[in-house]
Amino acid sequence: DVKVTQSSRYLVKRTGEKVFLECVQDMDHENMFWYRQDPGLGLRLIYFSYDVKMKEKGDIPEGYSVSREKKERFSLILESASTNQTSMYLCASSSGPGLAGEVGELFFGEGSRLTVL
Amino acid sequence: LAKTTQPISMDSYEGQEVNITCSHNNIATNDYITWYQQFPSQGPRFIIQGYKTKVTNEVASLFIPADRKSSTLSLPRVSLSDTAVYYCLVGVRLFSGGYNKLIFGAGTRLAVHP
Repeated sequence: DVKVTQSSRYLVKRTGEKVFLECVQDMDHENMFWYRQDPGLGLRLIYFSYDVKMKEKGDIPEGYSVSREKKERFSLILESASTNQTSMYLCASSSGPGLAGEVGELFFGEGSRLTVL
Repeated sequence: LAKTTQPISMDSYEGQEVNITCSHNNIATNDYITWYQQFPSQGPRFIIQGYKTKVTNEVASLFIPADRKSSTLSLPRVSLSDTAVYYCLVGVRLFSGGYNKLIFGAGTRLAVHP
């Protein structure tokens, strides 16, 4: 069974702390994504990576950075957590586009609910 | 980037067919249309994907008209367990042979009642 595992389901941090959210996939996927989800706003893309050491900004990268040193692992880093980063964070992975150009199915983790006090 | 517009919420009753329409006026030639389902406290889950006309799987059908500016997800005979948020996505290929950046909208919250 395919699996995307996020290291923590629930975290509580203080303003100014450095926060690491880890994500591991076991499907040998090229693409990995970090989204945040807030009520009424749906999922918003923070960063994505299409290969080891490669990364691209999504729609809301400010205040975040990412690391992808190994193909199976994609980390989201909050250098200095702020209260407006309290949210549900979702990691996903997908294979590359298919031969006909079809989009690879996204496989999501269970999510990490971060509260910044 | 192609954006999508869906109804914020819908209500239905068990056993009924539910149709959720998504508008994507700026869809590009190479874009596929994908639908995801999300239950509370879980990540979204893939339902169906299509490019044109009609696609059907064991869970749902996807209808895409010739101009591809909209699509309709059809859920036959819904049950209480279909209560979830449904997202319509339009894939964007950023460069030839490259990856796809998928943008989620706010989704449609479907409530199925007994």
